[in-house]
Amino acid sequence: SAVISQKPSRDICQRGTSLTIQCQVDSQVTMMFWYRQQPGQSLTLIATANQGSEATYESGFVIDKFPISRPNLTFSTLTVSNMSPEDSSIYLCSVRTAGGNTIYFGEGSWLTVV
Amino acid sequence: AQSVTQLDSQVPVFEEAPVELRCNYSSSVSVYLFWYVQYPNQGLQLLLKYLSGSTLVESINGFEAEFNKSQTSFHLRKPSVHISDTAEYFCAVSSTGGSNYKLTFGKGTLLTVNP
Repeated sequence: SAVISQKPSRDICQRGTSLTIQCQVDSQVTMMFWYRQQPGQSLTLIATANQGSEATYESGFVIDKFPISRPNLTFSTLTVSNMSPEDSSIYLCSVRTAGGNTIYFGEGSWLTVV
Repeated sequence: AQSVTQLDSQVPVFEEAPVELRCNYSSSVSVYLFWYVQYPNQGLQLLLKYLSGSTLVESINGFEAEFNKSQTSFHLRKPSVHISDTAEYFCAVSSTGGSNYKLTFGKGTLLTVNP
């Protein structure tokens, strides 16, 4: 398994601002992903964070709104840009460990946009 | 494309009663299957998984799930639940082939255990 730390754990943000969420893993992982969980909903994949290159976004998500970085094998950031109340969600970092077929999740970052 | 159906959005049970949370999936390729649990105000934790081998898999806290390929199901069961099992349970699948480890989730089942 892997220990995944996310910062911030919670935040209340003003409409129109941007917030960057950090994800740190305690070991090198092959793949990192960002998911969103809107209130009362299931999880939806935003993008796969690729080391040293642009992230791969799922349908309905774009880089301008959710820029992602992954400078090394253990760290990634997700920025939620120009936030609106509809962006109020839990944002979860997840990883696949080397040699494994299981995806592990961080504790999530709970964002409320007012 | 894959999809996951969790037929019950909410399941209320009494403490020490048995429970089954249903999960069916649709996929044109072979899949790995997972159950994740989300306790109130927490992130997702892996509960159990089916990757290969025995179709019956168990977790450390008494849950079990059985992969039924013919019925494309992966139902979660526990013979006797505790108050502390109250949580949202998510069934998820990923394909076994290539480099696609993306998870497709069901909508979740809220298990509420009452005293």
